[in-house]
Amino acid sequence: EAGVVQSPRYKIIEKKQPVAFWCNPISGHNTLYWYLQNLGQGPELLIRYENEEAVDDSQLPKDRFSAERLKGVDSTLKIQPAELGDSAVYLCASSLLPNAEAFFGQGTRLTVV
Amino acid sequence: AQKITQTQPGMFVQEKEAVTLDCTYDTSDQSYGLFWYKQPSSGEMIFLIYQGSYDEQNATEGRYSLNFQKARKSANLVISASQLGDSAMYFCAMRGSGAGGTSYGKLTFGQGTILTVHP
Repeated sequence: EAGVVQSPRYKIIEKKQPVAFWCNPISGHNTLYWYLQNLGQGPELLIRYENEEAVDDSQLPKDRFSAERLKGVDSTLKIQPAELGDSAVYLCASSLLPNAEAFFGQGTRLTVV
Repeated sequence: AQKITQTQPGMFVQEKEAVTLDCTYDTSDQSYGLFWYKQPSSGEMIFLIYQGSYDEQNATEGRYSLNFQKARKSANLVISASQLGDSAMYFCAMRGSGAGGTSYGKLTFGQGTILTVHP
C-alpha cells in the first residue's frame, strides 16, 4: 500500500513568488493534515481536513496561505507571496479516523531566497 | 487546549542499553491518545507507538514501550537494546479522541528530543 505522497521534495523560490505543494493521502484516509516544521522544532498544525471540509484552520496565515482538498482526496497548499520566514519543511499527513494514528509524507523542504 | 512538553533537548545512550525519553502533557479532554514518532535525518516522520487514555496496560511495540502514568500526565518512551539506527529526533504527540472534545482530531506535537546512540 502506498504511503502519503508529497511533491515536490525540494523547492527554492525567490521571495514574493508564489509556491504550491501537493499531497496525496493514503487511500481511504478521510483526515488530512498540513503541518509546518521549522528546523529543530516540532511540527505545527496549519490546517486539518475531514473529507473536503477544513475543520481546523485557525493557525493558517490566511493573508498569504491557502489550501484546498477537492473531492476529499488530494490536497494542495499554496503560499502567495512567499516570505523569507516561510522557509521550512511542509509536512502532509493522513489518518483513517480523526483519532487514529497519522501517517506522514516525506515533506517538502521550502527555501525562500 | 492541549500541550506537550519534552524537557530533554538531547539524550545519549550506549548501544544495546535502554533509554527513556520523557514526555508530559496537559489537556482538558477526558479521552485522548498519546503517540510517539521518530524522525531520522532524512526527514520522514515514522509512527512508533500509541497509548489511549483509557488503556489500562502500557503499550508495547517490539523494542518500544510507553510508560503511561495518567495521574502524573506523563507518557515516557522506553527504547530497549538501543541500536545505532535509533539515532534520530523523537516526538511525543497527543490528540483528543472523544468526539465533541475541544481537541478531537487535533494532533499536537512536543519540541522533540534528539537521541544519539554511541557504539
